[in-house]
Amino acid sequence: NAGVTQTPKFQVLKTGQSMTLQCAQDMNHNSMYWYRQDPGMGLRLIYYSASEGTTDKGEVPNGYNVSRLNKREFSLRLESAAPSQTSVYFCASSEYRANVLTFGAGSRLTVL
Amino acid sequence: AQSVTQPDIHITVSEGASLELRCNYSYGATPYLFWYVQSPGQGLQLLLKYFSGDTLVQGIKGFEAEFKRSQSSFNLRKPSVHWSDAAEYFCAVGAGSSNTGKLIFGQGTTLQVKP
Repeated sequence: NAGVTQTPKFQVLKTGQSMTLQCAQDMNHNSMYWYRQDPGMGLRLIYYSASEGTTDKGEVPNGYNVSRLNKREFSLRLESAAPSQTSVYFCASSEYRANVLTFGAGSRLTVL
Repeated sequence: AQSVTQPDIHITVSEGASLELRCNYSYGATPYLFWYVQSPGQGLQLLLKYFSGDTLVQGIKGFEAEFKRSQSSFNLRKPSVHWSDAAEYFCAVGAGSSNTGKLIFGQGTTLQVKP
């Protein structure tokens, strides 16, 4: 019963460094999402993948790239990290284009 | 544009007291509405959802919410709060007609429970 698993849970980067956040789900869901959570702003959608092989921009995609590696895995990459990307990142999954999301535990990223 | 407003950033209630968390949304069509709860250091857990039908919906942990179209509201209620309910609560709206899973979240309300 793992659900949605995110790695790493914590990461500290220097400005300009790159990194990839990994996400995997074991619920056979078709759709996957990356959100970021900032104080006082709730969660905002970065990218989503309605099904394997497709990805689309969300509300705040600038500075990020994603890869839907297979049905289970959806990664988020920061090519050149900036302090404005300091945030908590959540991966989620759902049935195909459904509105009921299952969230991972989050990855806290600090960019110095 | 769709939006969700949670007017109360922080609420403190005594254990055993009733609770109401407010949520107002802006959406042109029939919305899909959700309440999620986030315990410290955890991901978000779905409390309840409204898609259609009965405007009073029941969720987990004794929570309920009422959809009021005329007021564009979807307030969350609980008759008697327990200390374990201390958490952050998020209201969210989904694009109902397209059913894409792209949710718009409110800013969140932090609930503190006094013994």
